[in-house]
Amino acid sequence: SAVISQKPSRDICQRGTSLTIQCQVDSQVTMMFWYRQQPGQSLTLIATANQGSEATYESGFVIDKFPISRPNLTFSTLTVSNMSPEDSSIYLCSVVERSGNTEAFFGQGTRLTVV
Amino acid sequence: AQKVTQAQTEISVVEKEDVTLDCVYETRDTTYYLFWYKQPPSGELVFLIRRNSFDEQNEISGRYSWNFQKSTSSFNFTITASQVVDSAVYFCALWMDSSYKLIFGSGTRLLVRP
Repeated sequence: SAVISQKPSRDICQRGTSLTIQCQVDSQVTMMFWYRQQPGQSLTLIATANQGSEATYESGFVIDKFPISRPNLTFSTLTVSNMSPEDSSIYLCSVVERSGNTEAFFGQGTRLTVV
Repeated sequence: AQKVTQAQTEISVVEKEDVTLDCVYETRDTTYYLFWYKQPPSGELVFLIRRNSFDEQNEISGRYSWNFQKSTSSFNFTITASQVVDSAVYFCALWMDSSYKLIFGSGTRLLVRP
């Protein structure tokens, strides 16, 4: 099973600034995803991080606000840009492995507070 | 439509009671996977179980059991003899091969009181 290291685990940021969250996987994976979990809510898919090409964003999420990089098969970053208090959430990185059965793994999450 | 419904927003039980968390899903895919995750207050997602659409066998793991019924599109989760440590938010999720997405239900917050 894949082991995911996500950094930072938490941060408190000033509005108007940007934060980059890193996700490192201990094996090569094709499918990598970023989720947002607003307080008291479920997980919402932000985008699929594609290696070597632009990320695929879900409705309601745009690249200017949530730029994503995927330089290789083990690493991805999500940047939350020009933050406002509404961006205060837990952000989670996930990978899905589809060898035989489909398995989904998650990072520990980044708890972001914007003040 | 593809979605996961967890109609129970919050459940409160007294320790040692049995509790069932409901999950109903919708998909046109014939191949899909269903998951349950536990999210304690610390925020990380703890994997509990995965079930593929071709395996309708129920499963028991200690105090946990799962009932998968394709006829009713349900994948319910039962905790037997609940404990305070079971207090958490529980999410049901659906993976579809057609869209390569994992979508989550809204979650059920379980509070087990001593």
